[in-house]
Amino acid sequence: KAGVTQTPRYLIKTRGQQVTLSCSPISGHRSVSWYQQTPGQGLQFLFEYFSETQRNKGNFPGRFSGRQFSNSRSEMNVSTLELGDSALYLCASSPRGGEKLFFGSGTQLSVL
Amino acid sequence: KQEVTQIPAALSVPEGENLVLNCSFTDSAIYNLQWFRQDPGKGLTSLLLIQSSQREQTSGRLNASLDKSSGRSTLYIAASQPGDSATYLCAVIGYSGGGADGLTFGKGTHLIIQP
Repeated sequence: KAGVTQTPRYLIKTRGQQVTLSCSPISGHRSVSWYQQTPGQGLQFLFEYFSETQRNKGNFPGRFSGRQFSNSRSEMNVSTLELGDSALYLCASSPRGGEKLFFGSGTQLSVL
Repeated sequence: KQEVTQIPAALSVPEGENLVLNCSFTDSAIYNLQWFRQDPGKGLTSLLLIQSSQREQTSGRLNASLDKSSGRSTLYIAASQPGDSATYLCAVIGYSGGGADGLTFGKGTHLIIQP
């Protein structure tokens, strides 16, 4: 079974731009969650999607949004990028949510 | 708001030693607790998951315990090997509305096993 796939692996953007990150979960997994990892704040929960609906949301501004498609693939969008958005963005999947999580390798976003 | 703390932040031990990593959390209303390892530049690998009704879980040389009432978990690594070198993260899932919430992570313990 293929693991969680995140694309792209690396991204460089400038302030004010927007970015879209993609996550393909393990086949059969319907829950997809997103996390931001920075050296200062560590890993922080962004949001979770289940069956195309956002089920939980962390404490991030509205510039961070996401969606999930009928095949469970998920995208995350960050608008009006700020320098502080530079981070490793990780996606994780599980069958229903609240169980063992399987993480992708992440997308390293650098905002210049 | 749930807070997760991991002690120590870093640990360096010789190969072959048994070691204990500590995790504490402030809100005992958790759904489960998970231990992960993260290798440099990579995603997280789940090691052990303990449901809120369980006291411990074991996998190979790893044993994790959970004491919900005191808000503590420990990860015990037996007979450590250089390949165990990584950052170990503890995370809890709380309850939100009608179901499980997102994970709240500790900052991790950076472990180095000296050959």
